[in-house]
Amino acid sequence: AQSVAQPEDQVNVAEGNPLTVKCTYSVSGNPYLFWYVQYPNRGLQFLLKYITGDNLVKGSYGFEAEFNKSQTSFHLKKPSALVSDSALYFCAVKGDSNYQLIWGAGTKLIIKP
Amino acid sequence: GAGVSQSPRYKVAKRGQDVALRCDPISGHVSLFWYQQALGQGPEFLTYFQNEAQLDKSGLPSDRFFAERPEGSVSTLKIQRTQQEDSAVYLCASSSYQGPSYEQYFGPGTRLTVT
Repeated sequence: AQSVAQPEDQVNVAEGNPLTVKCTYSVSGNPYLFWYVQYPNRGLQFLLKYITGDNLVKGSYGFEAEFNKSQTSFHLKKPSALVSDSALYFCAVKGDSNYQLIWGAGTKLIIKP
Repeated sequence: GAGVSQSPRYKVAKRGQDVALRCDPISGHVSLFWYQQALGQGPEFLTYFQNEAQLDKSGLPSDRFFAERPEGSVSTLKIQRTQQEDSAVYLCASSSYQGPSYEQYFGPGTRLTVT
């Protein structure tokens, strides 16, 4: 069965520093991978996805993610963090069904000024 | 433009009551998803509609849960005889394409508390 893990409950980064939010996955076949963000009091928003192609995927708000097949990882990155990036980040993978996404538990990202 | 809306935003139900949660997707979106999100957890898939057809309901936790989208737009998630374990945020999302592999637009959720 497909699964996804976010090993860190919380990540703390100083403003201006690079950030990484980790995600690992387990799938049979080719993975379809996604990152979504949940800002306080707002709905989940799509950031980016990997289906096929270039291992470095660029998304919204300056975020990017690197697909690494050998390490079964899809870590979210940003070169320079902003305080406004503070939010809850979810990694997801397409499930066995054609219609389901399997979601990680989320990582709380805190950017300190 | 209008996004996905859900109503009510908050619902308190006594154990055993029936509840109905409404989702208004973005106009013209063919796909509609329902998720359940427990506190501190990621969303869990409940069911998927493509237009009015419910193509996957494997995530519904029991036969007390029922969802419909009769005209391919507004959807209702109904929970009968609510139990305390039903307390969660129920999220609705829509997409202009078929299946989950495209950007989903989420509503703000309905927070259900069963007392």
